[in-house]
Amino acid sequence: EAGVTQSPRYAVLQEGQAVSFWCDPISGHDTLYWYQQPRDQGPQLLVYFRDEAVIDNSQLPSDRFSAVRPKGTNSTLKIQSAKQGDTATYLCASSRTGGGSDYTFGSGTRLLVI
Amino acid sequence: SQLAEENSWALSVHEGESVTVNCSYKTSITALQWYRQKSGKGPAQLILIRSNEREKRNGRLRATLDTSSQSSSLSITATRCEDTAVYFCATDSGSWQLIFGSGTQLTVMP
Repeated sequence: EAGVTQSPRYAVLQEGQAVSFWCDPISGHDTLYWYQQPRDQGPQLLVYFRDEAVIDNSQLPSDRFSAVRPKGTNSTLKIQSAKQGDTATYLCASSRTGGGSDYTFGSGTRLLVI
Repeated sequence: SQLAEENSWALSVHEGESVTVNCSYKTSITALQWYRQKSGKGPAQLILIRSNEREKRNGRLRATLDTSSQSSSLSITATRCEDTAVYFCATDSGSWQLIFGSGTQLTVMP
């Protein structure tokens, strides 16, 4: 079974530039999560979807961040006008509703904003 | 302060020794998960222990949960160099939105 796939693996931006991260969850996993992991910290939930619906996006840092999952499969997280404080690893995870034991993370996208 | 927190920033042991990572949390939970994260990789789930369980095992790993003291532990026996990683506890309050601690860096030396 393929795992959670994320791309790109790395991104380096100047402040003010935009960037998009892409996630392909495990087939059959209806719930998809985006986490932000600053260096030397644990992952922090940004937003999660059940199928194509946003269930909770209250932790998205600002209106510079947006996320979509239009067909209930792949998802894109976008940062408009990146800031140095956005430097972190962005992790995507997926699971089945009511699951938990199948909670699976991708390898993440490492973002550096200079 | 953190809602979930590992009690040690870093631990080091020699191969073959046992080690325990402790975690405390501050919310009501339905389950607690332990994760391992190796450099450059995403977290990998090790054990999920539900609030009505007191102990769960997975090979050389054993997790305990004490909901009265809001604490959990992860023990690893017969450690190997490949167990070197950051270990996180993550709490779930019923919606599978996990709250992670800051992690404990475990180094296993030859």
